[in-house]
Amino acid sequence: KNEVEQSPQNLTAQEGEFITINCSYSVGISALHWLQQHPGGGIVSLFMLSSGKKKHGRLIATINIQEKHSSLHITASHPRDSAVYICAVSQDTDKLIFGTGTRLQVFP
Amino acid sequence: EPEVTQTPSHQVTQMGQEVILRCVPISNHLYFYWYRQILGQKVEFLVSFYNNEISEKSEIFDDQFSVERPDGSNFTLKIRSTKLEDSAMYFCASSEVVQTQYFGPGTRLLVL
Repeated sequence: KNEVEQSPQNLTAQEGEFITINCSYSVGISALHWLQQHPGGGIVSLFMLSSGKKKHGRLIATINIQEKHSSLHITASHPRDSAVYICAVSQDTDKLIFGTGTRLQVFP
Repeated sequence: EPEVTQTPSHQVTQMGQEVILRCVPISNHLYFYWYRQILGQKVEFLVSFYNNEISEKSEIFDDQFSVERPDGSNFTLKIRSTKLEDSAMYFCASSEVVQTQYFGPGTRLLVL
């Protein structure tokens, strides 16, 4: 059983749409991370959060510790947002446990 | 902006050969990591390194793997005798303290 599950696996949107990607985890965590993987493979950290909500530009990440659930929202989506979005968690140590990712395609 | 660099970007090797993947972490970072991603699969943790020693390793990181920080700037992953199943993208990451990790662009390893 995967410790970190994401949904949906694939997501297609029209430019301007509001997008939500969900992440559920089954283990105790110290922090949850959202990362973006570009088509070429590079990985960029977007957020690290342990409670509440964080916002950076058009991206918003929320976490509900009691429900072991996090969401990543993208407002006013744009074709350049097309990427794989990955949820990962860290527990007592700093190693990251990754989800399988959500492939997002935004069309003009 | 400081970034993690990795060399080579691509490596093709024959089964049984040794490979060394190199990483230059961000200069003031103290924590270093290697992850790998087999094509089509999720990213997996291999090893973390702090204060010149391994702090944690996964089941994947068996005796064929080793890490080293030979000169205070480079951080290397050595695979002694590569297997077909070692073919993957290998990512190095570093962090200043135990928080956001900064990833390198990856080395794509193909074992034939």
